[in-house]
Amino acid sequence: GAVVSQHPSRVICKSGTSVKIECRSLDFQATTMFWYRQFPKQSLMLMATSNEGSKATYEQGVEKDKFLINHASLTLSTLTVTSAHPEDSSFYICSARTSLATNEKLFFGSGTQLSVL
Amino acid sequence: AQKITQTQPGMFVQEKEAVTLDCTYDTSDQSYGLFWYKQPSSGEMIFLIYQGSYDEQNATEGRYSLNFQKARKSANLVISASQLGDSAMYFCAMRRMYSGAGSYQLTFGKGTKLSVIP
Repeated sequence: GAVVSQHPSRVICKSGTSVKIECRSLDFQATTMFWYRQFPKQSLMLMATSNEGSKATYEQGVEKDKFLINHASLTLSTLTVTSAHPEDSSFYICSARTSLATNEKLFFGSGTQLSVL
Repeated sequence: AQKITQTQPGMFVQEKEAVTLDCTYDTSDQSYGLFWYKQPSSGEMIFLIYQGSYDEQNATEGRYSLNFQKARKSANLVISASQLGDSAMYFCAMRRMYSGAGSYQLTFGKGTKLSVIP
């Protein structure tokens, strides 16, 4: 089945630095990728929808200048948390959609635990 | 707007017994899809089962079955013969079924933590 690879799995950074998270579709072309955020013991909240070759669509309340999303190719989307602060500490997870409309599983990456000191 | 409600924050089940995890949803759409995902402590989201709103039969995938009651807007997950490895968070989710990339967005419930007791 389709595999989505997400790196890094865990990152610790100092406040004020930027962190890049990669989401790759390994054996299929991902026309659309989604970025979710999950606080401890809470549900996944959609942050943005990323379409290859176009600007991402952000959900209400998500700062697009803080969470930069790039979907430059059909197999890679990146999320950059700029000038990270402790309140940005969270679990970030991506999911990818293939161009096949019948793919109902909506595969997820393994997630990235971000800790900002 | 779509909403998923999981009323059980935590559940316990004896190993080898069956367990039902509740999920109700709210939508004004006629066409939608319902999912269950398992999230172990490692964090990844593992797809378990899918039910389309127009599917007449309840979905089954191995030990997982989805008890879909459309009129009641419920999509409960039934896990038969529970195993210790089933201990995890379980999330119910919904997607809208319309053309366009945004239709693959998922709305998640708050999850149920299942603990399997030896």
